[in-house]
Amino acid sequence: QLQLQESGPGLVKPSETLSLTCTVSGGSISSSSYYWGWIRQPPGKGLEWIGSIYYSGSTYYNPSLKSRVTISVDTSKNQFSLKLSSVTAADTAVYYCARLIFWSGYPIPAGWFDPWGQGTLVTVSS
Amino acid sequence: AIRMTQSPSSFSASTGDRVTITCRASQGISSYLAWYQQKPGKAPKLLIYAASTLQSGVPSRFSGSGSGTDFTLTISCLQSEDFATYYCQQYYSYPQLTFGGGTKVEIK
Repeated sequence: QLQLQESGPGLVKPSETLSLTCTVSGGSISSSSYYWGWIRQPPGKGLEWIGSIYYSGSTYYNPSLKSRVTISVDTSKNQFSLKLSSVTAADTAVYYCARLIFWSGYPIPAGWFDPWGQGTLVTVSS
Repeated sequence: AIRMTQSPSSFSASTGDRVTITCRASQGISSYLAWYQQKPGKAPKLLIYAASTLQSGVPSRFSGSGSGTDFTLTISCLQSEDFATYYCQQYYSYPQLTFGGGTKVEIK
């Protein structure tokens, strides 16, 4: 059974860079059948897609965050990572990683997320 | 970006009720829609994809319908474990995937 687990600092100072890693177990991140994604949820609010990555390294980002986001993949470790620079209090959220199952027969970053990691709360505060 | 609007944002219901949650897209998205359930402190869980396809292991009291701009999630007989927040997500317009604002189902 595929499982995802987020890890990283729970507290980041304003203007610094948030760094999180998602470790995939029970399956290979190098599968050609899936993308992998990051989604966040500010406390008490809804879900926001951050970005998606394919095992080959192809990335897609939310335009509202694109200037600050970098997502990368390490197939040797079965992990993918998120970096968000110049953070402010508005970036305080629970950050989730998830597998993106695309609907077409060829790889496109369009589909539904399943499963999700348990999420990790990142607080931006001095 | 396609905007997804859910209604109502919250409501109260009783165990055994039939409940319907609505999700409207700002433009047509065919059937490229998923529904998720989220309980407090937990990650979202996939319920339905392709607007009406039930994810494996999800109880059959959940059903989805709709296409184009208007979609519904129906719970035919509300159980205690169904009190949660539900989100829709479109994947027609990519790569920018967008979610609805959520509908919280509370106990009456």
